[in-house]
Amino acid sequence: GAGVSQSPRYKVAKRGQDVALRCDPISGHVSLFWYQQALGQGPEFLTYFQNEAQLDKSGLPSDRFFAERPEGSVSTLKIQRTQQEDSAVYLCASSSSPTGRDTQYFGPGTRLTVL
Amino acid sequence: AQSVSQHNHHVILSEAASLELGCNYSYGGTVNLFWYVQYPGQHLQLLLKYFSGDPLVKGIKGFEAEFIKSKFSFNLRKPSVQWSDTAEYFCAVNKLGGSQGNLIFGKGTKLSVKP
Repeated sequence: GAGVSQSPRYKVAKRGQDVALRCDPISGHVSLFWYQQALGQGPEFLTYFQNEAQLDKSGLPSDRFFAERPEGSVSTLKIQRTQQEDSAVYLCASSSSPTGRDTQYFGPGTRLTVL
Repeated sequence: AQSVSQHNHHVILSEAASLELGCNYSYGGTVNLFWYVQYPGQHLQLLLKYFSGDPLVKGIKGFEAEFIKSKFSFNLRKPSVQWSDTAEYFCAVNKLGGSQGNLIFGKGTKLSVKP
């Protein structure tokens, strides 16, 4: 299909492990967002890319979180030394709008469980 | 800080009942407004959006929402719900101005429709 895809869909990590979550946006979409959704909450913004440039990382909860989009398409969210509070669903969204202010198309998410 | 409030955590209705889900936001500037829906086992998808113009917007599957600027509200309505409307509904805003349009979500409202 032509939608946003994410992998893996589920990830179980032991506390202290590093994890990498992948997002494949819709082809040609300039804007890419990462969100974190805790149980029973709405998604919360983590970071934003316009092409390969990371223009806003104000939502990243700590310096253990790192995101990249080196060629302006696929993006990876990396979490180092995972903690139990990192357990959540991580959502990726892309938009054709250069500012992302139009419709954002969401992927299925990666459910991360940290034991 | 900007926030979005959804008044109902869980709504239970019988088929053919009318639906209204409340959404209020706390930002005084110009905003774009969205309702997203997440059906069981599926990812977030856009139900409808408001950018400007007629404050009554129509979306997919018979849903509509009304923007009332004076009340900072964007309530979602449907005259007659169906069992297939069982899902979680999220209201979201992004503000105009600034470099990008990350969405700020409410906590969501779970709708259960009894057949």
